Amino acid sequence: DGGITQSPKYLFRKEGQNVTLSCEQNLNHDAMYWYRQDPGQGLRLIYYSQIVNDFQKGDIAEGYSVSREKKESFPLTVTSAQKNPTAFYLCASSVGGAINYGYTFGSGTRLTVV
Amino acid sequence: SQQGEEDPQALSIQEGENATMNCSYKTSINNLQWYRQNSGRGLVHLILIRSNEREKHSGRLRVTLDTSKKSSSLLITASRAADTASYFCATDAWNTGFQKLVFGTGTRLLVSP
Repeated sequence: DGGITQSPKYLFRKEGQNVTLSCEQNLNHDAMYWYRQDPGQGLRLIYYSQIVNDFQKGDIAEGYSVSREKKESFPLTVTSAQKNPTAFYLCASSVGGAINYGYTFGSGTRLTVV
Repeated sequence: SQQGEEDPQALSIQEGENATMNCSYKTSINNLQWYRQNSGRGLVHLILIRSNEREKHSGRLRVTLDTSKKSSSLLITASRAADTASYFCATDAWNTGFQKLVFGTGTRLLVSP
């Protein structure tokens, strides 16, 4: 079945540590996105990528980094510069831009700072 | 940035009743989308309505769009316990020539048996 796989489901980070969240899709979608969701809140866009080897900052990119070396993969690194990383992270993909298409979401990674 | 605002923030109903959620947004859109999120899971796309459409149906879902009032509503008819979830509206927004979605804060729906 086609879809988006996020791993791990739960992740614990120590202070000052970088961690990488995985996002893989087999939908042949060009565009991919990373969102952050805090308890009781909506989704805020961290980074997005329209095509391979290209990505753009979203609304809250500080303290995060991404890469898009393959069409199927869009990993997110939460760096030590992100002061409040505890949140639920969601990866999504779409055929193209939001003008015509809905997004397909992964099941999320819950990151906790310990 | 442009964002939809859902109303109410929380809604509690009995099975069989209808549930209505509203979304207001600030600027012109090309389309508006509704998503469902079960607790601790990813979002699931429910329906997309374009700016030139006024109403759209999908199964027990009915979405309306009033661009003059910059508002949309999602109606779930004959609700079931399995409809318990958070519901988000999302609007498209331009950013460097590429349209992306901006999500509202959601309505938490509880359907009791």
